[in-house]
Amino acid sequence: DIVMTQSPDSLAVSLGERATIKCRSSQSVLHSSNNQDSLTWYQQKPGQPPKLLIYGTSTRESGVPDRFSGSGSGTDFILTIDSLQAEDVAVYYCQQYYSPPFTFGQGTKLEIK
Amino acid sequence: EVQLVQSGGGLVQPGGSLRLSCAASGFTFSNHWIHWVRQAPGKGLVWLSNSDRNVAHIFTVDSLKGRVTISSDNAKNTLYLQVNNLSAEDTAVYYCATFVGGRFDPWGQGTLVTVSS
Repeated sequence: DIVMTQSPDSLAVSLGERATIKCRSSQSVLHSSNNQDSLTWYQQKPGQPPKLLIYGTSTRESGVPDRFSGSGSGTDFILTIDSLQAEDVAVYYCQQYYSPPFTFGQGTKLEIK
Repeated sequence: EVQLVQSGGGLVQPGGSLRLSCAASGFTFSNHWIHWVRQAPGKGLVWLSNSDRNVAHIFTVDSLKGRVTISSDNAKNTLYLQVNNLSAEDTAVYYCATFVGGRFDPWGQGTLVTVSS
């Protein structure tokens, strides 16, 4: 199984500042057929299902503010939230869909400093 | 509106079984895979299983193999996840989600399963 490891486990950032969350996979999640990494980012708020933010490493889901961006390749990925807003307080998860089981990272709790 | 509507959660005694439903509304499962994910109270997301609408291709995590049955009713546009021999460790919110075009979306609202005597 591919192990997904996020860092940090929790993060406190001031409003208007940048938040950076990292995700590392235990093996490459790059599909050679389309040269695309099978990596997704979610935001989850209490009592709600996960909300899709980013897929294919860097493709922002429709309706997601452009302050959210994804980058990386192979085994190392980053979710960046520019100009943090109060509504961004949540737990963020990465997930690989390269091969089953489609494992998640342990989550990163983002709070306001 | 495109959505997944879940049902079937509740309180189950240890050793019992539960069947969860995931019904598509506003779209058909035709080209979609359905994935099941659970989240124990205060914990992270754990991917469990996936299936196509015809239940012809299924992958289930090792920890649940032998205890899970996936079935479908295409006329109702609904997939079902049955978990047998439940224990306290199976207490969680269970989610279904569709996967197509590299996107896991939409997700169901989740259904809570509590295993307790």
